[in-house]
Amino acid sequence: KAGVTQTPRYLIKTRGQQVTLSCSPISGHRSVSWYQQTPGQGLQFLFEYFSETQRNKGNFPGRFSGRQFSNSRSEMNVSTLELGDSALYLCASSLVEGFNYGYTFGSGTRLTVV
Amino acid sequence: AQSVTQLDSHVSVSEGTPVLLRCNYSSSYSPSLFWYVQHPNKGLQLLLKYTSAATLVKGINGFEAEFKKSETSFHLTKPSAHMSDAAEYFCVVSASGGSYIPTFGRGTSLIVHP
Repeated sequence: KAGVTQTPRYLIKTRGQQVTLSCSPISGHRSVSWYQQTPGQGLQFLFEYFSETQRNKGNFPGRFSGRQFSNSRSEMNVSTLELGDSALYLCASSLVEGFNYGYTFGSGTRLTVV
Repeated sequence: AQSVTQLDSHVSVSEGTPVLLRCNYSSSYSPSLFWYVQHPNKGLQLLLKYTSAATLVKGINGFEAEFKKSETSFHLTKPSAHMSDAAEYFCVVSASGGSYIPTFGRGTSLIVHP
């Protein structure tokens, strides 16, 4: 059974550009959530999607957005990149919405903004 | 409101000796608590979770944790450390009465000496 797949694994972007990260959940999982991991702030929740609808959102600026498609695959977009957006971005999927029911994480996309 | 404090940023043990990783939490609602492990360049793997059932929770790879409401603690233990246990460990709280947005601890790096 394939796990959560995130693409690309590594990405280098220039300040001011925008970036799109992709996440394919485990087959049958309908909930996808996104997290940012940095040395300074640790792991922080970005948002959660279930059945193509955003269910929860963390405390991030509007430059961070996402969406979920009918096949449950999800994309995350960051516009007008800043140096501080350099981080490991993790995606996780679950059968149902809500962190309490257990999430399976992908290996992440490491974004470097220069 | 909820928060998590992992009391040690680094824990160093010898192989074959017990492991104790400490976590205190606060939550306005009945909490669900989790321990995740992250190996280098990998995503997070769920070790165990507490969701208001038995207070002593057994997880994978010989780990267990005890929920102590009076002490607001959820410490992770293992009787005998193995070299493969060397990783970053995260304690996570999610409030069942809230919006299920998880709050992560800052992590504890477990170092295992041969």
